[in-house]
Amino acid sequence: DVKVTQSSRYLVKRTGEKVFLECVQDMDHENMFWYRQDPGLGLRLIYFSYDVKMKEKGDIPEGYSVSREKKERFSLILESASTNQTSMYLCASSPSGNVDEKLFFGSGTQLSVL
Amino acid sequence: AQSVTQLDSHVSVSEGTPVLLRCNYSSSYSPSLFWYVQHPNKGLQLLLKYTSAATLVKGINGFEAEFKKSETSFHLTKPSAHMSDAAEYFCVVSDGNTSGTYKYIFGTGTRLKVLA
Repeated sequence: DVKVTQSSRYLVKRTGEKVFLECVQDMDHENMFWYRQDPGLGLRLIYFSYDVKMKEKGDIPEGYSVSREKKERFSLILESASTNQTSMYLCASSPSGNVDEKLFFGSGTQLSVL
Repeated sequence: AQSVTQLDSHVSVSEGTPVLLRCNYSSSYSPSLFWYVQHPNKGLQLLLKYTSAATLVKGINGFEAEFKKSETSFHLTKPSAHMSDAAEYFCVVSDGNTSGTYKYIFGTGTRLKVLA
């Protein structure tokens, strides 16, 4: 069974802390994505990666960076957490090559920045 | 650049009546379009997808959607609502970038309420 695993379900951090959100997929997918979900705003794309060590900015990359050293793992980094980064963070993956592939989602990390 | 507009943030229907959730899209290329559903405290699940084969697409749980290029719409319908359909629904467009990669852009969501 396909699986996208996010390391934490709930996370509480303080303003200014460096925060790492980890995502691992076991499906050998090429593409991985980070979204944040906020009420009334839907899911907004932060960053995505289509290959190891390759990344592209999404629609809201400010304040975030990513790392993809291995194919199965895609990390989202908040360099200096701020209260406006309190949100639900969702990781997703998809197979390579085709624009019509479905996304496989993790269960999400609810991050609170105090 | 691609974008998705879900025209209603909330829709309420009575059980047994039809459901219509509206979605309009903008795309520079030939897009793929999807509907995902998110039940309370659950993960996102694919309902259906359009990939330029048939314009009327059937999905799970009795849902279907029709791709209308002239109207740039991809509305989701169901003939008869069930209480278990209460959830948030997202319209998604997948489109190519100049770099040759694909982005999945989500709408802001429509929360469906089903009244007994």
